[in-house]
Amino acid sequence: AQRVTQPEKLLSVFKGAPVELKCNYSYSGSPELFWYVQYSRQRLQLLLRHISRESIKGFTADLNKGETSFHLKKPFAQEEDSAMYYCALSGQAAGNKLTFGGGTRVLVKP
Amino acid sequence: GAVVSQHPSWVICKSGTSVKIECRSLDFQATTMFWYRQFPKQSLMLMATSNEGSKATYEQGVEKDKFLINHASLTLSTLTVTSAHPEDSSFYICSAREPGPVRAQHFGDGTRLSIL
Repeated sequence: AQRVTQPEKLLSVFKGAPVELKCNYSYSGSPELFWYVQYSRQRLQLLLRHISRESIKGFTADLNKGETSFHLKKPFAQEEDSAMYYCALSGQAAGNKLTFGGGTRVLVKP
Repeated sequence: GAVVSQHPSWVICKSGTSVKIECRSLDFQATTMFWYRQFPKQSLMLMATSNEGSKATYEQGVEKDKFLINHASLTLSTLTVTSAHPEDSSFYICSAREPGPVRAQHFGDGTRLSIL
């Protein structure tokens, strides 16, 4: 069975400080990993997908198959980054269903 | 970017009423849509996978006769909560999977259902 674990429920950092959201997964096969973000009173939005190897809003995430991790990082957090972040996994072995982690709330203090 | 529209955003109704929620992909065709339920301060829980032109696939523990899903076209899926009761009150969210090799899901705004 596929599983996504986000060990931190809350991350509180000061503006300008680095922030790293941890995500670990278990999956038998080639996973597709995503980070979704939900700002206050807004819909869940796709932030990153591992296959694109892109940087969005200063965030990056690297898939580490050896450690089965897909941590999300940003070197300098901004107040507008305060939101709920969900790591998610999909793959053919599980019928392409998306499995979410429990979410991490990020609070960036001024 | 890919946009998913979900309607209505809020429903309040009496116990025993059936409620229909619509999910539309506005700028792409989605052969597969998903319906989730989210309880307060919890992550999304997949209820069912909606497949265009065929029956929905329900997750374990989800009553298919309670939560009717219809995916009649490539841009529309509907979820009908039949004979709703207070315990069905929740936040329901749909998503549509984009076409392409790595197909991310794009989410609607969600529907808050309150059964009195």
